[in-house]
Amino acid sequence: EVQLLESGGGLVQPGGSLRLSCAASGFIFSNYAMSWVRQAPGKGLEWVSSVSDSGRSTYYVDSVKGRFTISRDNSKNTLYLQMNSLRAEDTAVYYCAKTPGLVRGARPDVWGQGTTVTVSS
Amino acid sequence: DIQMTQSPSSLSASVGDRVTITCRASQSISTYLNWYQQRPGKAPKLLIYVASSLQSGVPSRFSGSGSGTDFTLTISSLQPEDFAAYYCQQSYSTPFTFGQGTRLEIK
Repeated sequence: EVQLLESGGGLVQPGGSLRLSCAASGFIFSNYAMSWVRQAPGKGLEWVSSVSDSGRSTYYVDSVKGRFTISRDNSKNTLYLQMNSLRAEDTAVYYCAKTPGLVRGARPDVWGQGTTVTVSS
Repeated sequence: DIQMTQSPSSLSASVGDRVTITCRASQSISTYLNWYQQRPGKAPKLLIYVASSLQSGVPSRFSGSGSGTDFTLTISSLQPEDFAAYYCQQSYSTPFTFGQGTRLEIK
């Protein structure tokens, strides 16, 4: 069974850091691009970042550029999102998603259950 | 960035109804358009990709159409489990922007 399991969320103060992880199983992780998508409380979906299958190419929404870093360890079947200089507006549920077809035609087809990040003093 | 606009924002319908949700892009995106369903408290689920291709395992009552800037998601006969939020997303260029969502409610 294809599965994604996020972890690492929690409560952090503004300006703080957090690293999210996404453990993948049930598919050949190194064959697929991966993405992070977030959803603020009561709001819609926002694409945050994607990384190519090799990890060499990365893409970010402008609001997180320079603060967030996406990476992956194909030997551990794990995706990461390092989040620095966190702001209140980063508060959201963060989903990781398997993303065939990156870049044009990307279609996140398997999603994790999400991990909650709360930025507050 | 490409802006995606969905309409309506909310919709009330009954079991068995046919419903259509529209998504408009601020520029041409060819057919690089995905549709998702999200039930409360759950992760999004991919329904349709490249505008009209049905994701594996998704019931055939869901269909998508369109190209360029105008797209539609149609549910041919609503089932109780279809009452949820629906989002479009362009996959033409980063950032892969989403529409604001359509909440489908039971009448």
